[in-house]
Amino acid sequence: AQKVTQAQTEISVVEKEDVTLDCVYETRDTTYYLFWYKQPPSGELVFLIRRNSFDEQNEISGRYSWNFQKSTSSFNFTITASQVVDSAVYFCALMRGSGGSYIPTFGRGTSLIVHP
Amino acid sequence: SQTIHQWPATLVQPVGSPLSLECTVEGTSNPNLYWYRQAAGRGLQLLFYSVGIGQISSEVPQNLSASRPQDRQFILSSKKLLLSDSGFYLCAWIGGRATDTQYFGPGTRLTVL
Repeated sequence: AQKVTQAQTEISVVEKEDVTLDCVYETRDTTYYLFWYKQPPSGELVFLIRRNSFDEQNEISGRYSWNFQKSTSSFNFTITASQVVDSAVYFCALMRGSGGSYIPTFGRGTSLIVHP
Repeated sequence: SQTIHQWPATLVQPVGSPLSLECTVEGTSNPNLYWYRQAAGRGLQLLFYSVGIGQISSEVPQNLSASRPQDRQFILSSKKLLLSDSGFYLCAWIGGRATDTQYFGPGTRLTVL
């Protein structure tokens, strides 16, 4: 069975602070995919990144960066110099790479509040 | 490019009334389609998914049902709404391959009074 744990229920920071959202996953599969989504107050889930299990290279996109470590089964998300617009709920998700029915397993989400 | 539509955006319904939420996808064919529900301040709960026309899998027992009358159309229904059906309903799709990403529609906020 697959599992995604986002232990941080809510994080509150002041604008310009760096913040890291943790994601720990469990799977027996050797091929799998990891995702991060952002859910702003409007409600729509916005796709941020996909990473496959064979690519442990970290990725940076502007103020966003992702640290994938198979050794610790973690896929953490860091926002540098946070802004008020970053306030949202962030979800981490895991999907099997083969033999599955393409149903992602989502974490329960981390609510990020960025204060001005 | 692919686009996913949901309507209505918001809905207020009395207990015991019927429900019909519609989701359509553009720009792709034979997608996997999904219905999720999100209660206030909670995570995502998968309700139904479909791998093709007329093929529906239910993840949780409830008074909701889903149908897929066309390749890119997914409908969520109920004959009689309960108070517990209130929530945010999200439709999503995947292109059918495990390497594809799940994309979400704008959602429908349902309030049952």
